[in-house]
Amino acid sequence: EVRLVQARAEVKRPGESLKISCQASGYTFTKYWIGWVRQKPGKGLEWMGIIYPSDYLVKYGPSFQGQVIISADRFINTAYLQWTSLQASDTATYYCARGEADLNLYSGMDVWGQGTTVTVSS
Amino acid sequence: DIVMTQSPLSLPVSPGEAASISCRSSQSLHYLEWYLQKPGQSPQLLIYKVSNRASGVPDRFSGSGSGTEFTLKITKVEAEDAGVYYCMQSLQIPLTFGGGTKVEIK
Repeated sequence: EVRLVQARAEVKRPGESLKISCQASGYTFTKYWIGWVRQKPGKGLEWMGIIYPSDYLVKYGPSFQGQVIISADRFINTAYLQWTSLQASDTATYYCARGEADLNLYSGMDVWGQGTTVTVSS
Repeated sequence: DIVMTQSPLSLPVSPGEAASISCRSSQSLHYLEWYLQKPGQSPQLLIYKVSNRASGVPDRFSGSGSGTEFTLKITKVEAEDAGVYYCMQSLQIPLTFGGGTKVEIK
């Protein structure tokens, strides 16, 4: 079974750092990119960026460039989303999803993690 | 960035009725997807490349359109179809979503 597994929740204080993970199983990790999507409470979906685990190439959305760090470890089939200094405005649910890296074979973000809810509060 | 605009914002529909959601893009594209987010769940892929149903998606869901105008149609809506529907373009980075259409079952 193809799966992306994320921790359910994290609670942090403003200024703290955080690294959340997305562990993939059931498929060849390097054949798909992993994307991150933010959803603030009661709001829509925002695409943050993607990483290609085959060569670790990362592309960020303009709103997220410099605000987060996307990384991966292809040896343990895991992608990461990291903050060095959280703000209250980072409170949201963060989803990872996969997409076929070969554009000719691309067929949407077909598998999603269950989402990590990050709460930043003093 | 490519801007995606959906309408309507909200769509009340009775079981068995048809429903239609529109999505307009600011640039012509053919990499257009539809996702459904049911309450309390992660989004799920319905349609990719405008009109291709994802694996396991019932055939009452169909996608159509070209250029900058796209439509998701649901024939004979069922109670389990309730949720927020999003279109998304994957032609160009940054990938961008529409604002969402909330389908409510009457």
